[in-house]
Amino acid sequence: EPEVTQTPSHQVTQMGQEVILRCVPISNHLYFYWYRQILGQKVEFLVSFYNNEISEKSEIFDDQFSVERPDGSNFTLKIRSTKLEDSAMYFCASSSVTDTQYFGPGTRLTVL
Amino acid sequence: AQSVTQPDIHITVSEGASLELRCNYSYGATPYLFWYVQSPGQGLQLLLKYFSGDTLVQGIKGFEAEFKRSQSSFNLRKPSVHWSDAAEYFCAVKVGGAGSYQLTFGKGTKLSVIP
Repeated sequence: EPEVTQTPSHQVTQMGQEVILRCVPISNHLYFYWYRQILGQKVEFLVSFYNNEISEKSEIFDDQFSVERPDGSNFTLKIRSTKLEDSAMYFCASSSVTDTQYFGPGTRLTVL
Repeated sequence: AQSVTQPDIHITVSEGASLELRCNYSYGATPYLFWYVQSPGQGLQLLLKYFSGDTLVQGIKGFEAEFKRSQSSFNLRKPSVHWSDAAEYFCAVKVGGAGSYQLTFGKGTKLSVIP
């Protein structure tokens, strides 16, 4: 069964550093998403991406965040200058249409 | 804004017992409704979804959920719980039509199963 994959599974970085989280969505899907889950809190929507542009973003997704689909398979989330409060599990998801989203296993980001 | 409430933070049941996890949503129209499960160290796996039609939907692993418009609820049920069902369960809604993509999640209910 096709699945969403994410790398790395765990990323540790120093505050102020840039990180790139990578995702490979399900191959025939056209809509891509990033969510985050701070430890002990609910899963929160960050951004959705379709046709090579952001289609929707939350208040959390400020100027330090960016997304990109650099090639036909990868979908990335970049955090330009990480803060302590960016420590969270980041989930990538994809869907063929705008209904059922399938999630990857997540990348745990730890900012020191 | 839409919201999802899962009133129970933690539920403990004995193996073989029945289970019901509660979910209430706040939204004027009928949203798309989902239940996801997250096992420790794992991602979110879709259990089932409701878009329209029959209000009782069947999912994977023997789970079912019932949409009740009058109560704005979408409770998850399983007649007999297995130890492997121990996990965290999230209810989510997607509201809006074209142009709206985000899922809004509840805070989750952690399920513990006693052997």
